[in-house]
Amino acid sequence: GAVVSQHPSWVICKSGTSVKIECRSLDFQATTMFWYRQFPKQSLMLMATSNEGSKATYEQGVEKDKFLINHASLTLSTLTVTSAHPEDSSFYICSGSTATYEQYFGPGTRLTVT
Amino acid sequence: AQKITQTQPGMFVQEKEAVTLDCTYDTSDPSYGLFWYKQPSSGEMIFLIYQGSYDQQNATEGRYSLNFQKARKSANLVISASQLGDSAMYFCAMRAEDSNYQLIWGAGTKLIIKP
Repeated sequence: GAVVSQHPSWVICKSGTSVKIECRSLDFQATTMFWYRQFPKQSLMLMATSNEGSKATYEQGVEKDKFLINHASLTLSTLTVTSAHPEDSSFYICSGSTATYEQYFGPGTRLTVT
Repeated sequence: AQKITQTQPGMFVQEKEAVTLDCTYDTSDPSYGLFWYKQPSSGEMIFLIYQGSYDQQNATEGRYSLNFQKARKSANLVISASQLGDSAMYFCAMRAEDSNYQLIWGAGTKLIIKP
């Protein structure tokens, strides 16, 4: 099956700093990448959808200036959490999608902001 | 509007028993797909099984089967002969053209298998 990697798998940062999370499709070209956020014991919440070379489309309530998404190539998308605060602590999951709309999920990144 | 409902927040099941996880959905799109994912404590989303709205037969993948009842808009996951490793969160999701092919997620069911 198609493989998606995320780096780092977990990160601890201080309040006010920025953190970048990478999402890579290793053996396929992801025309679309999705970024999700998941709080403990809750379901996945879609944050944004990005197509290669285009600006990301953010879901209602997601601050695009705080969660910067770049989809520079068909195999790489990055999510940067700017000026992170403790309430940004969460599990972030990306997925890559092909033209057939199948989504392949990364293993997730656990962010803790102290 | 697209919606997925999982009414069981948690379930305890004895090892080796079969378990059914409920999922109902709502969509006006005639073409849609239904998914089940397993999320263990590690956090990764593991794809289990897929059912297309036009599929005539219920999907099966090893110990997993999907009880698809289109008229009732239900897509229950059946796990036969449960194992301790089946303990995890289980999410039902739907994808339809009306939602730009994004996945619509249910709230999840936490399954705990007792030895």
